[in-house]
Amino acid sequence: EAGVVQSPRYKIIEKKQPVAFWCNPISGHNTLYWYLQNLGQGPELLIRYENEEAVDDSQLPKDRFSAERLKGVDSTLKIQPAELGDSAVYLCASSLGDRGHEQFFGPGTRLTVL
Amino acid sequence: DQQVKQNSPSLSVQEGRISILNCDYTNSMFDYFLWYKKYPAEGPTFLISISSIKDKNEDGRFTVFLNKSAKHLSLHIVPSQPGDSAVYFCAGAGGTSYGKLTFGQGTILTVHP
Repeated sequence: EAGVVQSPRYKIIEKKQPVAFWCNPISGHNTLYWYLQNLGQGPELLIRYENEEAVDDSQLPKDRFSAERLKGVDSTLKIQPAELGDSAVYLCASSLGDRGHEQFFGPGTRLTVL
Repeated sequence: DQQVKQNSPSLSVQEGRISILNCDYTNSMFDYFLWYKKYPAEGPTFLISISSIKDKNEDGRFTVFLNKSAKHLSLHIVPSQPGDSAVYFCAGAGGTSYGKLTFGQGTILTVHP
């Protein structure tokens, strides 16, 4: 069974540029999460989707971050414009609706903003 | 407000000995705790979990202990192997945070041959 797929794995951009990350969850997993992980810290939830509905986006900085999960499968997280402080690893995870606590993570996208 | 804390940034252990990783939490609404393991350039991988109604859960070489009164949990790895060298995160879930994992900062475990 394929795991959570994320692309790109690495991204380097200039500040004020836009950037987008893509995630394809494990087949059949209806819940999808985007996490932010800063260096030396644990992952922090940005947004959680159940199917195509964003059920928890309280930690998403909505002035510059946006996300979508069309058709309730894959998802895109966008930052526009990027700031130096956005440099981090962006992790996507998925889970089955009835096993919400056990989340399966992708390899992440490491973003560097110059 | 850090709801989950791992106060030891790193731990070094000899192969074959026991590794004990510790985690403290403040949110009494958590009803489930999980440990994840992370290798460099990979995402976290689920290791073992425990419900708040239990005080111990064992899976092979890995055992998690929960002390609710002290709001403390620990992960024991016996015997430790070099392949166990990784970053270990504990996380809490449940209550009003259902569906959301709240992670600690992680502990880097190094197992020496």
